[in-house]
Amino acid sequence: DTGVSQNPRHKITKRGQNVTFRCDPISEHNRLYWYRQTLGQGPEFLTYFQNEAQLEKSRLLSDRFSAERPKGSFSTLEIQRTEQGDSAMYLCASSLWTRGGELFFGEGSRLTVL
Amino acid sequence: AQKVTQAQTEISVVEKEDVTLDCVYETRDTTYYLFWYKQPPSGELVFLIRRNSFDEQNEISGRYSWNFQKSTSSFNFTITASQVVDSAVYFCALSEGDTGANSKLTFGKGITLSVRP
Repeated sequence: DTGVSQNPRHKITKRGQNVTFRCDPISEHNRLYWYRQTLGQGPEFLTYFQNEAQLEKSRLLSDRFSAERPKGSFSTLEIQRTEQGDSAMYLCASSLWTRGGELFFGEGSRLTVL
Repeated sequence: AQKVTQAQTEISVVEKEDVTLDCVYETRDTTYYLFWYKQPPSGELVFLIRRNSFDEQNEISGRYSWNFQKSTSSFNFTITASQVVDSAVYFCALSEGDTGANSKLTFGKGITLSVRP
């Protein structure tokens, strides 16, 4: 499978715990994005990387959220001290920088905070 | 600030009917890109089309066609002779500026299309 891979697919946690999601993009794609989607809404931009550089981060993203892409390949999204409002589907996507906006999405990681 | 409005929330049609999904956008930039994505029941978003603000030509791809009108800030999507497999949530999205430098997309809330046999 050469698509975007996300793990875990589903995470249930208690409020206050930390969670980490991993995304493996399509290998030749140098851009990687994180979006969040809640029920009945469109995806909401969180952050994106070009290679290992984090180029933009949404102002909606609190300090409890951090994303990394250490070697320009896979990426992790960590949420510290989770809150019930963090419950959502976290989507990862990748693209070539020459084809901006043509995002290839993974199946998402669903977070449920109890 | 950029904004995408998809006023229709749910549409239900019978197979073989034509259906048009509306999208209205707001932006202050003169350079921008518009997109449509499909999210089938399996959940994975799939890219359908990208259009830049300087190209108002309509586009047709098989049963799909797109009508871009800057005068009304609309980028509507028509499916001709709909099929059950077209059932999905369809999102319109906008990206401002040179897409090569900025690919942050702003999505609308989506339109749920149900095609009945």
